[in-house]
Amino acid sequence: GAVVSQHPSRVICKSGTSVKIECRSLDFQATTMFWYRQFPKQSLMLMATSNEGSKATYEQGVEKDKFLINHASLTLSTLTVTSAHPEDSSFYICSARSSGVTSYNEQFFGPGTRLTVL
Amino acid sequence: QQPVQSPQAVILREGEDAVINCSSSKALYSVHWYRQKHGEAPVFLMILLKGGEQKGHEKISASFNEKKQQSSLYLTASQLSYSGTYFCGTENVQGAQKLVFGQGTRLTINP
Repeated sequence: GAVVSQHPSRVICKSGTSVKIECRSLDFQATTMFWYRQFPKQSLMLMATSNEGSKATYEQGVEKDKFLINHASLTLSTLTVTSAHPEDSSFYICSARSSGVTSYNEQFFGPGTRLTVL
Repeated sequence: QQPVQSPQAVILREGEDAVINCSSSKALYSVHWYRQKHGEAPVFLMILLKGGEQKGHEKISASFNEKKQQSSLYLTASQLSYSGTYFCGTENVQGAQKLVFGQGTRLTINP
């Protein structure tokens, strides 16, 4: 149980285009989803926290107009990188959390999306 | 504020033991441990909650010293499959929702 999927796993796009990444909780309802960004050999940096049906809470320094997050249902959250530029190239990982899965509210991570902007 | 992990990297031979530490400058409510293999998502190992709990997972266990604001992960008789980068994620207050992750400890197990 507690499986989180992400799509696509890899995406290559041209500078200036927008890219949408989907994060789905497959066998549980995710009351909260998180979006992280990870550069090579570095830690997971939280970008934003989203709760179903409400606006996402962005971390300091993350441009909300550039990284659009939508958490439309208890099983789906999307991250759209608008007008992507080469510096946006990174590994984007989502995670989902639900009080109903276990007693401890741990986060379950998706497999990640490797974004390369040319 | 990001917790500090030590050491940054460890190289072991199969069967040896390792300890990875995670220290915070703030009081902690919980510490979550994850292992990430290259190019993959982090995999949950265990949670330790305020109150000195010790948890175990196969030959991997952990402790939480809330007074010292730190947690330690113990890997006993390491196996090749234990290789990867270990991250601790900390929650400062109950219900904080988000975790702040340390910079990671890269563990390499050689045969």
